[in-house]
Amino acid sequence: EAGVTQFPSHSVIEKGQTVTLRCDPISGHDNLYWYRRVMGKEIKFLLHFVKESKQDESGMPNNRFLAERTGGTYSTLKVQPAELEDSGVYFCASSQGARSTDTQYFGPGTRLTVL
Amino acid sequence: AQSVTQLGSHVSVSEGALVLLRCNYSSSVPPYLFWYVQYPNQGLQLLLKYTSAATLVKGINGFEAEFKKSETSFHLTKPSAHMSDAAEYFCAVSWGKLQFGAGTQVVVTP
Repeated sequence: EAGVTQFPSHSVIEKGQTVTLRCDPISGHDNLYWYRRVMGKEIKFLLHFVKESKQDESGMPNNRFLAERTGGTYSTLKVQPAELEDSGVYFCASSQGARSTDTQYFGPGTRLTVL
Repeated sequence: AQSVTQLGSHVSVSEGALVLLRCNYSSSVPPYLFWYVQYPNQGLQLLLKYTSAATLVKGINGFEAEFKKSETSFHLTKPSAHMSDAAEYFCAVSWGKLQFGAGTQVVVTP
């Protein structure tokens, strides 16, 4: 069974440009999460989808970030316009259930560098 | 509010020696705790999790962790380090979403 996949693995963009990150969860997983690790900091929660609905977006830093999950399958995270402080590794995770005991399976991450 | 604290951002251990990574939690309710590992150029992989069924939890690759409520700890151990254990390890508390500690980078020396 394929794991969580993310594309691209690396992205280098200029400040002010737009970048779109993609996550494909494990097939059948209704729950999809985005996390981010900024250099030297902890991995932080961004948001949680249940199917195509945003269940919790309390971790989204500002309105330059837009996440979608049309059709309840893959998800995209768009940053527009990108700022220097957006640099970091963006992780996607998926799970079957949303209970606190359910395991979240992580993708390899997208390393975003904003110059 | 719930949080975890990992003591030591870097740990160096000799091959064959005990691996001990410390994690303390703060929670007003019974916590659900996880240990994840990130090998170079890979995503986070679940090592083990505590869901209140048993206080001693065994995970993959010979790792185990013991939940100690009196000490608010969930330390990760492995009796004998292997070179392949070199990675970054994360403790996390779950309340639906995961809240991670800062991570501990483990270096294994021959």
